[in-house]
Amino acid sequence: DQQVKQNSPSLSVQEGRISILNCDYTNSMFDYFLWYKKYPAEGPTFLISISSIKDKNEDGRFTVFLNKSAKHLSLHIVPSQPGDSAVYFCAATQNTGNQFYFGTGTSLTVIP
Amino acid sequence: GAGVSQTPSNKVTEKGKYVELRCDPISGHTALYWYRQSLGQGPEFLIYFQGTGAADDSGLPNDRFFAVRPEGSVSTLKIQRTERGDSAVYLCASSLNSGASTEAFFGQGTRLTVV
Repeated sequence: DQQVKQNSPSLSVQEGRISILNCDYTNSMFDYFLWYKKYPAEGPTFLISISSIKDKNEDGRFTVFLNKSAKHLSLHIVPSQPGDSAVYFCAATQNTGNQFYFGTGTSLTVIP
Repeated sequence: GAGVSQTPSNKVTEKGKYVELRCDPISGHTALYWYRQSLGQGPEFLIYFQGTGAADDSGLPNDRFFAVRPEGSVSTLKIQRTERGDSAVYLCASSLNSGASTEAFFGQGTRLTVV
């Protein structure tokens, strides 16, 4: 059973506009959430994270929002750049655990 | 090197054969993870090592899969009697220590194809 879901397999955005990637989870025990970025033929690289005690975390152009009641998080990229084109994975875990549960990924294309 | 290194990058094997996949973590990282990513899916947890011991092997799909980390550094994932369904990218990650908030660094993966 998929505990972390990314329902949009792909997204295209114009350069300079906002990209919004969405993620839903089912396990209420998850209390730490991460976004990873993956280029072809490379491993995922950590992008940004958020603890369940917060509802927002910002790092430069990247902001993650967490809505615990809806079991939903989103990643906002603004302004989007062509170099942001990659597959983005949402992941969740329990702070006391060591397994990350990943979504199926969203392929973002930023059009110059 | 500075990052997590996995060898080989690609492996093609015949059904029923035995394979070993190697992971060299970042020096000094005590935590090491193996994940498997099938086509169109996200990475799926297999096993976690803290030092030399497998602290959590609950993700290994069956007893054909085994992993070791004898000296607390390099790890080898071993798959016996390979099946076509084992075809996937096998990812290794390491982190300085355990815990969700400790950043895990992934290698580029080994693409295993069982024909």
